Amino acid sequence: DADVTQTPRNRITKTGKRIMLECSQTKGHDRMYWYRQDPGLGLRLIYYSFDVKDINKGEISDGYSVSRQAQAKFSLSLESAIPNQTALYFCATSESARVDGYTFGSGTRLTVV
Amino acid sequence: GQNIDQPTEMTATEGAIVQINCTYQTSGFNGLFWYQQHAGEAPTFLSYNVLDGLEEKGRFSSFLSRSKGYSYLLLKELQMKDSASYLCAVRTGGGNKLTFGTGTQLKVEL
Repeated sequence: DADVTQTPRNRITKTGKRIMLECSQTKGHDRMYWYRQDPGLGLRLIYYSFDVKDINKGEISDGYSVSRQAQAKFSLSLESAIPNQTALYFCATSESARVDGYTFGSGTRLTVV
Repeated sequence: GQNIDQPTEMTATEGAIVQINCTYQTSGFNGLFWYQQHAGEAPTFLSYNVLDGLEEKGRFSSFLSRSKGYSYLLLKELQMKDSASYLCAVRTGGGNKLTFGTGTQLKVEL
């Protein structure tokens, strides 16, 4: 099994729908992150969490919310999806300031039509 | 804010050496990472520098100059499978939050 699992892998949804992307990890890491990746824009941080009670906004949090249900689970919600939220979404984990940075999930490709 | 610059695209020949540069402007610098990302896949860790100098790991080496805000990734004996995007990322502050550059798409040709 993968260390960091994202579900679903692919999703097409309609404008205005609520959608949740889920991330779970077996690494035992305390820190979890959500990024989105767009062509030409690179990876941009949406939200991050350093433990269950600590949630922080990243550089592009508008239109998104998160929930850290447990140390191993961090979900990202789009309350009312819009087409410019079409992107590849990655969840990542880390254990404090490690020298290997992040462990990434396989990504969720989201299309909003 | 933070600014990280990398070339958008590079092309190199199989068996050759290629250097991918990254310049950054940031406060609270606490390390620089290089990741490799094949199309549609997750980034994978390549190297990490926090002190000035060269770190070598097999065919891959990474260099850092903190005073110049500059790093490069050196790939030797290029193989076709090295065709991928290479992401430079800077860690700032006491946490482990990374800011990524937009990536350099490397194409390896015969």
